[in-house]
Amino acid sequence: GENVEQHPSTLSVQEGDSAVIKCTYSDSASNYFPWYKQELGKGPQLIIDIRSNVGEKKDQRIAVTLNKTAKHFSLHITETQPEDSAVYFCAASNGAGNMLTFGGGTRLMVKP
Amino acid sequence: GAVVSQHPSWVICKSGTSVKIECRSLDFQATTMFWYRQFPKQSLMLMATSNEGSKATYEQGVEKDKFLINHASLTLSTLTVTSAHPEDSSFYICSLPGGPDTQYFGPGTRLTVL
Repeated sequence: GENVEQHPSTLSVQEGDSAVIKCTYSDSASNYFPWYKQELGKGPQLIIDIRSNVGEKKDQRIAVTLNKTAKHFSLHITETQPEDSAVYFCAASNGAGNMLTFGGGTRLMVKP
Repeated sequence: GAVVSQHPSWVICKSGTSVKIECRSLDFQATTMFWYRQFPKQSLMLMATSNEGSKATYEQGVEKDKFLINHASLTLSTLTVTSAHPEDSSFYICSLPGGPDTQYFGPGTRLTVL
């Protein structure tokens, strides 16, 4: 089955700096890669996703890149703000029944 | 994206009692819903896939007789934790498929078993 590794597990940045979170996956059949933000005591919220026919996708301060050959994808957050502080999860899917395999999560702390 | 609600948002119960958690789709009909469990500082672990009108599909290691799932309508799935014990204390989250790949998550239910 699919295995998703996520690094780092914790990340502390200064407000205004950039943050990068990286994930690798094992199943070459995976073709959909969402990123979720989870605030304390809440359910995960989809913030951006990318499909395997695209190498990069951007939405304001958030971008995701995908390297299919190396089987890794990354989340980039620019101009970080304190409200970006949360746990971020990457996931991968091969499209079968909407099943997602999640990474272990990254706790991002943005210091004002 | 899909709007998903869960009830209750938190519950405290005594050991040995049963607890029912509801997951509702507020804006579209869902033939499939997913149930996850999340322990503190850990990732989401899929427990089961709830199928409207048929039996749920449980992941390996999840006891189907302990975690009863009912998906009686296209907008409601329920998870009942039977004979709950302290080790069942966790954050339970449901999700709905949104399109061909995506899942949209509910706000979660914090279960504490004393």
